[in-house]
Amino acid sequence: QKEVEQDPGPLSVPEGAIVSLNCTYSNSAFQYFMWYRQYSRKGPELLMYTYSSGNKEDGRFTAQVDKSSKYISLFIRDSQPSDSATYLCASARPSNTGKLIFGQGTTLQVKP
Amino acid sequence: ETGVTQSPTHLIKTRGQQVTLRCSSQSGHNTVSWYQQALGQGPQFIFQYYREEENGRGNFPPRFSGLQFPNYSSELNVNALELDDSALYLCASSVGHTGELFFGEGSRLTVL
Repeated sequence: QKEVEQDPGPLSVPEGAIVSLNCTYSNSAFQYFMWYRQYSRKGPELLMYTYSSGNKEDGRFTAQVDKSSKYISLFIRDSQPSDSATYLCASARPSNTGKLIFGQGTTLQVKP
Repeated sequence: ETGVTQSPTHLIKTRGQQVTLRCSSQSGHNTVSWYQQALGQGPQFIFQYYREEENGRGNFPPRFSGLQFPNYSSELNVNALELDDSALYLCASSVGHTGELFFGEGSRLTVL
């Protein structure tokens, strides 16, 4: 079993839809949770960074962490065609914050 | 403020050869991590350097080695290349052990 699991999709939605992206993790020691966006042939771009449980909002993006169920979510409101990319969730332990454990990535396509 | 830069962007090698990939950290960042991303997969942690010392290593054989220089730039060296080494190699920098990693665009290695 992988430490971080993510449905690879692809996920296709119409422009303006609310997108929900999800990951599960198995290691209770994870305390740091991130979402990265990766466009084709580019490096991952940090979108959201959270510590422990709770919600964090940044513009159209909301990240949620539920440690009781080991569930990580990213919501995108009013999705735009420019949001079409691969979204990677990642987790890390406090003792080794440089070692991110990534999910496989979910490919999102937002159609105009 | 300049971001993380990597070179070369693309390269082709043959099995058994050696390769060196280079990374310049984002200004003010003193920690460098290297990741390998196979096609369709999330990045996998290779190792991290902090203050010129290796500070954590993933499940990669010793033929993967690295260096960090006093200006915080870094190199990844891979000896005795194998076909499975074909991947996107990503460098990420951060400040200390915050866990907020900022990635470069990557070096795409093809081994024939």
